[in-house]
Amino acid sequence: EAGVVQSPRYKIIEKKQPVAFWCNPISGHNTLYWYLQNLGQGPELLIRYENEEAVDDSQLPKDRFSAERLKGVDSTLKIQPAELGDSAVYLCASSFGAGGLNEQFFGPGTRLTVL
Amino acid sequence: QQQVKQSPQSLIVQKGGISIINCAYENTAFDYFPWYQQFPGKGPALLIAIRPDVSEKKEGRFTISFNKSAKQFSLHIMDSQPGDSATYFCAASKVYNTDKLIFGTGTRLQVFP
Repeated sequence: EAGVVQSPRYKIIEKKQPVAFWCNPISGHNTLYWYLQNLGQGPELLIRYENEEAVDDSQLPKDRFSAERLKGVDSTLKIQPAELGDSAVYLCASSFGAGGLNEQFFGPGTRLTVL
Repeated sequence: QQQVKQSPQSLIVQKGGISIINCAYENTAFDYFPWYQQFPGKGPALLIAIRPDVSEKKEGRFTISFNKSAKQFSLHIMDSQPGDSATYFCAASKVYNTDKLIFGTGTRLQVFP
């Protein structure tokens, strides 16, 4: 069974440029998460989807970040424009349902470097 | 009150030794405490988890000890192996709530042969 797929794995851009990350969750998982992981830190939730609905985006910097999950399957996270401080690993995770007992399966992440 | 504090930041252990990583939390509403293991270039993967109704949970060489009154929990890795070298994150959340996982800052474990 395929795990959570993310692309690209690495991205290097100049500041002020736009960037987008793509995630395909495990088949059948209706809950999808985007996390930010800074170097030497634990993941921090940016946004959580239940099917197509963003049910927790309180930590998403909405001035420059946006996300979508149009058909309730794969998802895209966008940054426009990127800033130096956005350099980090962006992790996508999925689970079958929300709530603490539903194991979250993480993808390998996209490492973003903003120059 | 939402923080989970983790220590040590890094840990070096000889093969066959015991690795111990500690976490502390403030929010007494947390009732689910998982540990995640992350290898370089990979996403975190669930290793073991505990609910506060028990004080200990063991799965193979991995044991979680939980102290509800002290609001602390720890991961013990017995007979540590070089393959255990990874970064370990504790986390906390509320089970019957769609609240998010709060992760600790991570412990980088290196096990030398």
